[in-house]
Amino acid sequence: GQSLEQPSEVTAVEGAIVQINCTYQTSGFYGLSWYQQHDGGAPTFLSYNALDGLEETGRFSSFLSRSDSYGYLLLQELQMKDSASYFCATNSGGYQKVTFGTGTKLQVIP
Amino acid sequence: GAVVSQHPSWVICKSGTSVKIECRSLDFQATTMFWYRQFPKQSLMLMATSNEGSKATYEQGVEKDKFLINHASLTLSTLTVTSAHPEDSSFYICSASNRGGTQYFGPGTRLLVL
Repeated sequence: GQSLEQPSEVTAVEGAIVQINCTYQTSGFYGLSWYQQHDGGAPTFLSYNALDGLEETGRFSSFLSRSDSYGYLLLQELQMKDSASYFCATNSGGYQKVTFGTGTKLQVIP
Repeated sequence: GAVVSQHPSWVICKSGTSVKIECRSLDFQATTMFWYRQFPKQSLMLMATSNEGSKATYEQGVEKDKFLINHASLTLSTLTVTSAHPEDSSFYICSASNRGGTQYFGPGTRLLVL
């Protein structure tokens, strides 16, 4: 089975940097994705790491260490609109089935 | 980018009735569609995977006779919650996968069973 653990809540100040961690136990690991979900909305794709290392996309970066079964999402220059839930996810199987992590609710405060 | 729609966006129904939710890929052909359920303050849980023209594959613990999934074409999948009860109230989200394996999520359908 698949299991992805994240901290449940994180609070950070506007303009700061925050890191959201994800540890996973999976079979048939293909890569780690990150999604953002605002209250009442659907998840939106942020990034994907298939290989070890850091992927940067604007203010967001994502890191993966396959040997440690660990990854993180780094958000820089935090803005109030970044307040949302963030989910790591793995995909597996021939149909690219996505399994979501427990989710981290990020609150950005002034 | 690719667009996936869901209809209705929200629905309120009486206990015991059936509710159908549609998921459409508007500008691409979806080889596979997925149905998720999300309870408040929880993560998305995969319910089933459906491929066009074949039976859906349900995750463990999901009743296939209660949650009927039909994937009649490459652009449409439907989820029918049969004999809905208050505990079925949830946020139902579909996603559609193109041939490259990229998933696009629909906006979700909020179901409230009274």
